[in-house]
Amino acid sequence: KQEVTQIPAALSVPEGENLVLNCSFTDSAIYNLQWFRQDPGKGLTSLLLIQSSQREQTSGRLNASLDKSSGRSTLYIAASQPGDSATYLCAVKSGGFKTIFGAGTRLFVKA
Amino acid sequence: GAGVSQSPSNKVTEKGKDVELRCDPISGHTALYWYRQRLGQGLEFLIYFQGNSAPDKSGLPSDRFSAERTGESVSTLTIQRTQQEDSAVYLCASSGESSGNTIYFGEGSWLTVV
Repeated sequence: KQEVTQIPAALSVPEGENLVLNCSFTDSAIYNLQWFRQDPGKGLTSLLLIQSSQREQTSGRLNASLDKSSGRSTLYIAASQPGDSATYLCAVKSGGFKTIFGAGTRLFVKA
Repeated sequence: GAGVSQSPSNKVTEKGKDVELRCDPISGHTALYWYRQRLGQGLEFLIYFQGNSAPDKSGLPSDRFSAERTGESVSTLTIQRTQQEDSAVYLCASSGESSGNTIYFGEGSWLTVV
């Protein structure tokens, strides 16, 4: 059974700092891994999707890496801004169709 | 459509009543997902559709919950005899090869059972 864990659960950083969010999964036989952002009271917004054959994906100030063998993914946010404050979730799709979400990391960027 | 659309956006219902929640996925997306998120909690998988069939119903919490999808498009999630513990936001998502299998979410249906 696939389990997804995100560390830390919450993070507070000053504006401008570079930061890393971590996601780990127990079953390395994944189809893809996706990072999402959720603002309070809102739905989820897709940030990056990494296919199982890929090592990383980049979008603007965001870079996501994937290491299947160790069951880990990281989301790197460069030069953080107050607008980056949100909950970040990773989701792992395994062969059985089900996409499992981590509990998320709540990020607060202080101005 | 341009995005995943859910209705109603908000629903307040009395305990014991039935509710229907609707999801319109992105046009052409063959996969459709329902998740539940209680206040301050993570996402709880409910059911997944591939086309009109549901190969994985393992997340439905009880027999009061059912879902269907027709025309490889619209899906409805029905909750019978609602309980206060059903209060949550119900999120629908879809994905398809046309968008690289990226999962896109709707804004959710906020259900409050009083």
